[in-house]
Amino acid sequence: GIQVEQSPPDLILQEGANSTLRCNFSDSVNNLQWFHQNPWGQLINLFYIPSGTKQNGRLSATTVATERYSLLYISSSQTTDSGVYFCAVSPRGAGGFKTIFGAGTRLFVKA
Amino acid sequence: DAGITQSPRHKVTETGTPVTLRCHQTENHRYMYWYRQDPGHGLRLIHYSYGVKDTDKGEVSDGYSVSRSKTEDFLLTLESATSSQTSVYFCAIRSTDTQYFGPGTRLTVL
Repeated sequence: GIQVEQSPPDLILQEGANSTLRCNFSDSVNNLQWFHQNPWGQLINLFYIPSGTKQNGRLSATTVATERYSLLYISSSQTTDSGVYFCAVSPRGAGGFKTIFGAGTRLFVKA
Repeated sequence: DAGITQSPRHKVTETGTPVTLRCHQTENHRYMYWYRQDPGHGLRLIHYSYGVKDTDKGEVSDGYSVSRSKTEDFLLTLESATSSQTSVYFCAIRSTDTQYFGPGTRLTVL
């Protein structure tokens, strides 16, 4: 089945710094989402981005579907950005409604 | 939170006992999902449903069964719980192309 790899696995930032998180996937996808899991375990959808670029405040995401990767940019990081960031894809074809998650990038932002 | 609740929120049980987790949604979404989350694995899909009585297996379906007799409820059953099923279980719905998650159920199997 499709493989989803996220990097880096862990990231520590000073408040105010910028960062880029990467998601590589091994096959064509119908759907790509980025999620943030806060330290209390709540999962929040950040972006639905199967291709192209989107921005939402200090966060933006770009997916290059032909090269099978997506990037999540966090600018001017804040302590509330801490948590785990997941990339999730839905493969094309018969499994199109399944969603496969990467292992996540754990981010800690220091004050 | 897209009107998603999970019950119970916490459960401790013993090996070999049956356990049923419930996911309830209030917004009539067609697609519902059950995941488990374990350290180092992210979220792994157990089963999903694409309508009443329509379900399919995910990546880690062994040892689990599901049922969906009403649009709003998606049940996950562990027929005979094992210690390897100790995990946090998340339910999700799909609204157009975006998934929304419930608060999770922490299950401990002793």
